[in-house]
Amino acid sequence: DQQVKQNSPSLSVQEGRISILNCDYTNSMFDYFLWYKKYPAEGPTFLISISSIKDKNEDGRFTVFLNKSAKHLSLHIVPSQPGDSAVYFCAASANNYGGSQGNLIFGKGTKLSVKP
Amino acid sequence: DTEVTQTPKHLVMGMTNKKSLKCEQHMGHRAMYWYKQKAKKPPELMFVYSYEKLSINESVPSRFSPECPNSSLLNLHLHALQPEDSALYLCASSQERWGNYGYTFGSGTRLTVV
Repeated sequence: DQQVKQNSPSLSVQEGRISILNCDYTNSMFDYFLWYKKYPAEGPTFLISISSIKDKNEDGRFTVFLNKSAKHLSLHIVPSQPGDSAVYFCAASANNYGGSQGNLIFGKGTKLSVKP
Repeated sequence: DTEVTQTPKHLVMGMTNKKSLKCEQHMGHRAMYWYKQKAKKPPELMFVYSYEKLSINESVPSRFSPECPNSSLLNLHLHALQPEDSALYLCASSQERWGNYGYTFGSGTRLTVV
């Protein structure tokens, strides 16, 4: 049972345009959400996070939106650059979720390609 | 120092070999993790250490044996692996296990079992 879902395995965007990566979750106990970026042959790199008490967090070109009622979050990249091409993982954690508290649960990732 | 360092970067081993993966961080993080990632799959949690004690073992086969000698080091000892164990092994750390802390990941060890 997948608790964190990224339903789009890939996304292609033109340079300068907006990239929108989506993530859905099923566990209402999740209270912290993160986006990681991963280049081939490297470990995931932390990008941006949001706590469940907020609905938006912005950091430069990256903005994460959280819709708790829909159990949905999205990552917006504006403007997109070719260097943003990578796999983006959505992850979630819960502070009070039994023995798994604090552990990150990852989605399957979305491969973003930004074309010049 | 804001990095998690993993060695070796690449490892090829036979099914009868014994090898170890190493992970090191000097950020004062008290939680450390081993993840396994197969191609086109998300990272899957294997082990969690909190304050140098094993707190989670996600039903990992005994041919994988973790060790945390001190708060900066995490090892993964490998013995009698199978070809299907070939994967990218990622180490991560966080300030604490609980709370809203992001993980810092190492670059991983690309393991091939032949």
